Amino acid sequence: DGGITQSPKYLFRKEGQNVTLSCEQNLNHDAMYWYRQDPGQGLRLIYYSQIVNDFQKGDIAEGYSVSREKKESFPLTVTSAQKNPTAFYLCASSIDRDLSEAFFGQGTRLTVV
Amino acid sequence: SQQGEEDPQALSIQEGENATMNCSYKTSINNLQWYRQNSGRGLVHLILIRSNEREKHSGRLRVTLDTSKKSSSLLITASRAADTASYFCATDGIQGAQKLVFGQGTRLTINP
Repeated sequence: DGGITQSPKYLFRKEGQNVTLSCEQNLNHDAMYWYRQDPGQGLRLIYYSQIVNDFQKGDIAEGYSVSREKKESFPLTVTSAQKNPTAFYLCASSIDRDLSEAFFGQGTRLTVV
Repeated sequence: SQQGEEDPQALSIQEGENATMNCSYKTSINNLQWYRQNSGRGLVHLILIRSNEREKHSGRLRVTLDTSKKSSSLLITASRAADTASYFCATDGIQGAQKLVFGQGTRLTINP
């Protein structure tokens, strides 16, 4: 089955730790995105990538980092510099730069303990 | 910054009634999309309307786009309990930036 997979579904982080959220797609999509969603809120763009080995900051990139070494993978690292990381993180992909339909993963819920 | 703003923030109606949600945006767009999100899940694409289109239908969904007013509406007809979800509009943000920007969403509750 084709799709976009995020893992893990739930993640707990101690303060001061870096954690990496996985996002993999087998849809052969060029574009991939990371969003953050807080309770009862909309999605805010963290980082996006239109092509392998290239990515751009979104609206709330501070405290986060990404890489795009392979077309199918776009991992997100939440660093210790992110002061309020507890949130629901969503990864998405779309076929090309023309912003056609985006396909979303099921999300990772990150909690700082 | 948010490009799209949905209105109302929350909507509660009886099953069988029609539900209308509105989205306003700030800058020129190439297309506008509507998505649905069930609680705690990822988003699912519903419909895309291009800037040169005024209306589009998909099953019980009807989307309109008024580029002069920078607004769009999503109408769900003959609502069902299973339509209970949050609905988001998304635009391609500042022209040329090639990123998908979402609004705050409308939380729709269908009462049986």
